[in-house]
Amino acid sequence: AQSVTQLDSQVPVFEEAPVELRCNYSSSVSVYLFWYVQYPNQGLQLLLKYLSGSTLVKGINGFEAEFNKSQTSFHLRKPSVHISDTAEYFCAVSDNNAGNMLTFGGGTRLMVKP
Amino acid sequence: GAGVSQSPSNKVTEKGKDVELRCDPISGHTALYWYRQSLGQGLEFLIYFQGNSAPDKSGLPSDRFSAERTGGSVSTLTIQRTQQEDSAVYLCASSPSGSDPYEQYFGPGTRLTVT
Repeated sequence: AQSVTQLDSQVPVFEEAPVELRCNYSSSVSVYLFWYVQYPNQGLQLLLKYLSGSTLVKGINGFEAEFNKSQTSFHLRKPSVHISDTAEYFCAVSDNNAGNMLTFGGGTRLMVKP
Repeated sequence: GAGVSQSPSNKVTEKGKDVELRCDPISGHTALYWYRQSLGQGLEFLIYFQGNSAPDKSGLPSDRFSAERTGGSVSTLTIQRTQQEDSAVYLCASSPSGSDPYEQYFGPGTRLTVT
């Protein structure tokens, strides 16, 4: 069984400041890792994914994440946020033995203030 | 091209009624997923289709929930005798194949309210 923990339910941050959204997972097998973003009243959009290879993954909108196997973490970072980054962010895992359905964390609401 | 579409976008129903939620995946995507997003439970997996077959129904919360997929395309999620705890946003996603870790493309969801 897999599980995902997003340690912060809300993260307030000022515009142009850096931000890190934390994600830890547990799984007995190798996993694939994803970050999705959900803007108000919209579906989920993929920000980035880690399947294999380089542990630093770059995604859309200037976001990046680093896979750390020893710490079972996949934290999302952005060096300078914009008001438009205000949204809900979900970390998710899947494993190839399970049809690749996603197990999601509880989500982190990023609130960017002017 | 067209993304994943879902209908209706909003559905209000009385407790005890049956509802059908529809998902039109991206053309050519063989894998289709249903998830539920609710305040109490977050985002949870319901069921997965590879073609018209559902290898994993483990996420369906009760026998009041069922789903089918026809022609390797459209899927319908049916909830019988709806209860208030069924109120949630039901999200559908598709991907090119369930056997590879492709990105899942999500629809905008159907917001179900059971009164």
